Amino acid sequence: DAGITQSPRHKVTETGTPVTLRCHQTENHRYMYWYRQDPGHGLRLIHYSYGVKDTDKGEVSDGYSVSRSKTEDFLLTLESATSSQTSVYFCATKGLATDNEQFFGPGTRLTVL
Amino acid sequence: GDSVTQMEGPVTLSEEAFLTINCTYTATGYPSLFWYVQYPGEGLQLLLKATKADDKGSNKGFEATYRKETTSFHLEKGSVQVSDSAVYFCALSAIGNEKLTFGTGTRLTIIP
Repeated sequence: DAGITQSPRHKVTETGTPVTLRCHQTENHRYMYWYRQDPGHGLRLIHYSYGVKDTDKGEVSDGYSVSRSKTEDFLLTLESATSSQTSVYFCATKGLATDNEQFFGPGTRLTVL
Repeated sequence: GDSVTQMEGPVTLSEEAFLTINCTYTATGYPSLFWYVQYPGEGLQLLLKATKADDKGSNKGFEATYRKETTSFHLEKGSVQVSDSAVYFCALSAIGNEKLTFGTGTRLTIIP
C-alpha cells in the first residue's frame, strides 16, 4: 500500500463546469500518473509527472490539464467538463525501482451530465 | 508502439476450475511484464510480475511465465475460488519508459 488517496471519490457535475480531482501520496514517490478507465479500453494514460512542476502528456490528454506543486500532490483539472469525460479516474505512483511497478489509488467516479 | 492484447472477457468458471487468461505483447527489447487485479469498487493492485525472459511470477496461487519466443505472459491458476472474481489486467513497461501500457482487462466471475 503506497498510501495514495484520491478526492473526491464520487462527483456528479454538469457539462461546461470545471472539475479538479486530487491525488495525494505519502510515499515520496517521484512519479505520479493519472489514468481513466472505460469499458473496452482498459486504462489509458492522461498525464503524468516525473517531478515537482515536471509533467507530460499521455495518450488521451485533450481536455485535461495537471499540476504538481509539491511531491505529494498531483491535481487533474477538467477545464470544461464534457459527457465524454464521464469515467473512473485513477491516480498511480511509482518510486525509483527499475521494474516500473506502479501503485494505484482507489479511484474517483466522475459523472458529467 | 508498445501494445498488450488480452483475452476477451467476460470469463465465467465454476469454483475449483483451472484458469488461463491469455496475454501477448508487442514491444522492443525486453520489457517488464505485470498482472494487476481489480476487485469490485477498488483500485488496481499488483498481482505478479516478471522482469526478464523465462522468469515466473507467482502470488496467491496465480502464476505467469515470461515467454520471449512467443511474446506472451499468460496468467494461470490451478483451482479458482469465488474470491478470485475480479478484473485482471496485463501490462508492460518497456526499458527506459516510465509508463505502463495496459491491456483492456478480462472480467472473471467464479460461481460456487
